[in-house]
Amino acid sequence: AQSVTQLGSHVSVSEGALVLLRCNYSSSVPPYLFWYVQYPNQGLQLLLKYTSAATLVKGINGFEAEFKKSETSFHLTKPSAHMSDAAEYFCAVSEWNNDMRFGAGTRLTVKP
Amino acid sequence: NAGVTQTPKFRILKIGQSMTLQCTQDMNHNYMYWYRQDPGMGLKLIYYSVGAGITDKGEVPNGYNVSRSTTEDFPLRLELAAPSQTSVYFCASSYSGPPLETQYFGPGTRLLVL
Repeated sequence: AQSVTQLGSHVSVSEGALVLLRCNYSSSVPPYLFWYVQYPNQGLQLLLKYTSAATLVKGINGFEAEFKKSETSFHLTKPSAHMSDAAEYFCAVSEWNNDMRFGAGTRLTVKP
Repeated sequence: NAGVTQTPKFRILKIGQSMTLQCTQDMNHNYMYWYRQDPGMGLKLIYYSVGAGITDKGEVPNGYNVSRSTTEDFPLRLELAAPSQTSVYFCASSYSGPPLETQYFGPGTRLLVL
């Protein structure tokens, strides 16, 4: 079955610094990959998704992720962190006719 | 447009008690899902439904039951609460199923079983 591993349960960056959240996946077939964000006391919201089109996917709020098949990775980046980016981020993988599997999440803290 | 709503927001149960977590969506979505989120773990799928009257088990269905009598509602039932069911429960919905369709999540229900 498909699975994802998020490296680092907690990432802390300074405002204006690069954000890099890591996600590696395992899938026996070409996967569909997602990044969701969860703000405090809210449900998850979709940031972006990879569906086998362009390998560099742009999402909301200036985030983007690059699908690298050779590295089985789908890392999330943002060039300049903002205080409002503080949240928990989840990577997820799905295959045709299979349910979505989520990673354990990475909590992003942004320091002023 | 409320999206996906869940009630209650927080509940404390005693071991052996039962309760129903409510989930309603107003987007006319066919698919609905129940997940649980444990500390340090990703979301795990409990049950899902592809339409009214049709439900199926997910990854961790034991100890739970669901029903789907309408498109809008997808309640989750805990019959005999156990400490292992202490978790945050999220309901989600999507117009069609995985893998392409975006899922929309409710704000969650935090459940503590003592």
